[in-house]
Amino acid sequence: AQTVTQSQPEMSVQEAETVTLSCTYDTSESDYYLFWYKQPPSRQMILVIRQEAYKQQNATENRFSVNFQKAAKSFSLKISDSQLGDAAMYFCAYRGNRDDKIIFGKGTRLHILP
Amino acid sequence: DGGITQSPKYLFRKEGQNVTLSCEQNLNHDAMYWYRQDPGQGLRLIYYSQIVNDFQKGDIAEGYSVSREKKESFPLTVTSAQKNPTAFYLCASSIGAVNTEAFFGQGTRLTVV
Repeated sequence: AQTVTQSQPEMSVQEAETVTLSCTYDTSESDYYLFWYKQPPSRQMILVIRQEAYKQQNATENRFSVNFQKAAKSFSLKISDSQLGDAAMYFCAYRGNRDDKIIFGKGTRLHILP
Repeated sequence: DGGITQSPKYLFRKEGQNVTLSCEQNLNHDAMYWYRQDPGQGLRLIYYSQIVNDFQKGDIAEGYSVSREKKESFPLTVTSAQKNPTAFYLCASSIGAVNTEAFFGQGTRLTVV
């Protein structure tokens, strides 16, 4: 069975600095999709970024980028120029190629220090 | 506006009673999901459905039941067999193509007293 592990329950970063959130996963599939979601205090889940496993190029969305290492089964999220509005829970998620099941990690709570 | 609607936002029930959480989507998505969120546990998959009249158990299905009689609706029943039902429940939907993300409702906070 696939698993997603986020080893950092909480992190803090100074406003305007860069922070990296870690995610590792385990799967026997060769094709799959990875996601990072943000959950602010409102608890509404928001998609931050998506990566297809068959693409070697790392996905980027404005200040958000990923470091996807397929062989290491690692999928970290880098947030550049951190802003107060980035404070939230961040979840890493995996979706395989065989069915619609989507599994999540336990999350990392990110604090932004002014 | 297209989206996913969960109702109610807060729900209180007495121990031993079954309770049904509503989830409706007008996005024409094939796949729908129910997750449970507890502090420090992340999102754990309860059930998911890829098509009408079909659904699969997730990682923590015991004490829960679902139905998928219509494409747009995927209600979750928390039965009295669920030992610790107090939690935040999130419903989601997806187009169904494997490279697409899930879209979430705003959640229902269930408190059993």
